Amino acid sequence: ETGVTQTPRHLVMGMTNKKSLKCEQHLGHNAMYWYKQSAKKPLELMFVYSLEERVENNSVPSRFSPECPNSSHLFLHLHTLQPEDSALYLCASSQGPGQQETQYFGPGTRLLVL
Amino acid sequence: AQTVTQSQPEMSVQEAETVTLSCTYDTSENNYYLFWYKQPPSRQMILVIRQEAYKQQNATENRFSVNFQKAAKSFSLKISDSQLGDTAMYFCAFLLEGGKLIFGQGTELSVKP
Repeated sequence: ETGVTQTPRHLVMGMTNKKSLKCEQHLGHNAMYWYKQSAKKPLELMFVYSLEERVENNSVPSRFSPECPNSSHLFLHLHTLQPEDSALYLCASSQGPGQQETQYFGPGTRLLVL
Repeated sequence: AQTVTQSQPEMSVQEAETVTLSCTYDTSENNYYLFWYKQPPSRQMILVIRQEAYKQQNATENRFSVNFQKAAKSFSLKISDSQLGDTAMYFCAFLLEGGKLIFGQGTELSVKP
């Protein structure tokens, strides 16, 4: 596999469920990101990790819990979500979190909360 | 506040013709980076082109080029010889320190045969 991969590609969950989204990057990068893409809204940055340390938490509700066990893997743990959390969740990676670093995106996980 | 504005929600172009997508941004920073990303219907976000603000020369990448006007805070994307595979949502984005990408709302481009 090359680039940035995400699993699952589609997920349907109830508001009481607990699920996790997985992201893996094969680019040798040191920074990873979670973005939320809702219909009719710009992409919103949720979390930034650099060398497995969280460096940005963009006022995201606690029902979203990120985990970065190593520089190649990033998870987003979901629990007691709301219907308005339905969106496309995109993972990205870059060489570092610096201003000059291009971010490369995965295909996304389409989440539907019932 | 750092913002990115794409004023054209939808555009269409005939195959082989040229189209320009508009983007303006607002920032008080002097050194920054600007990007155009493409998101085809399959949803994979792909980098199209990037521009360093300290460079006066406009970036080009094959059929894609930008018109970067720093004073006007404008960063438009020109697609020459449009192809059916160019049909996608195009996002303009501005990169802040710490890796925070600020995106515009996107322009949906349809290339018609």
